[in-house]
Amino acid sequence: DQQVKQNSPSLSVQEGRISILNCDYTNSMFDYFLWYKKYPAEGPTFLISISSIKDKNEDGRFTVFLNKSAKHLSLHIVPSQPGDSAVYFCAASGDGQNFVFGPGTRLSVLP
Amino acid sequence: DAGVIQSPRHEVTEMGQEVTLRCKPISGHNSLFWYRQTMMRGLELLIYFNNNVPIDDSGMPEDRFSAKMPNASFSTLKIQPSEPRDSAVYFCASSLPGSGTGLLQYNSPLHFGNGTRLTVT
Repeated sequence: DQQVKQNSPSLSVQEGRISILNCDYTNSMFDYFLWYKKYPAEGPTFLISISSIKDKNEDGRFTVFLNKSAKHLSLHIVPSQPGDSAVYFCAASGDGQNFVFGPGTRLSVLP
Repeated sequence: DAGVIQSPRHEVTEMGQEVTLRCKPISGHNSLFWYRQTMMRGLELLIYFNNNVPIDDSGMPEDRFSAKMPNASFSTLKIQPSEPRDSAVYFCASSLPGSGTGLLQYNSPLHFGNGTRLTVT
């Protein structure tokens, strides 16, 4: 049973618009969440994190929102750029070390 | 900072052969993780170490898999004997230790290497 779900395998967005990537989790013990971006033939690159004591964290064009009651988090990218085209992974942990990754969402930003 | 370094980048071997994957974590990081990525199962944690000591190896699929961390700057993942179903991309990651609790809690994200693509024929 998947503990971390990303139900959209792919997403296409026009350049300049907002990209919203969603992630749902089932384990209520998860309290630390990460988003990673992955280009082909490279390892995942850390983007932004959020702990359960917050409901929002912002870093430049990237904002992560956490809804603990719904066990849902989302990554907003605004404005989207062609270089943002990649696979995005959501990851969750209850101890800050054992991370469970979602299956990923492939984002395509169209010029 | 050179980042996490993995070698080789690609490995092609025949079924039954021994395969050794190598990883050098970021200097100063005391936690090291081995992940495997496949189309079917995505990114799954195989094993992780804290201060060179294996903490959780419950993700290691079989006894054919073993991992060592002889010192803070080097780790290996060995598959012996290898099988075609072991074909995957294997990632190593490292992180700083977390600290504190509650509002002062700091958690450290994982920093990944570029992976080793293993093909077993």
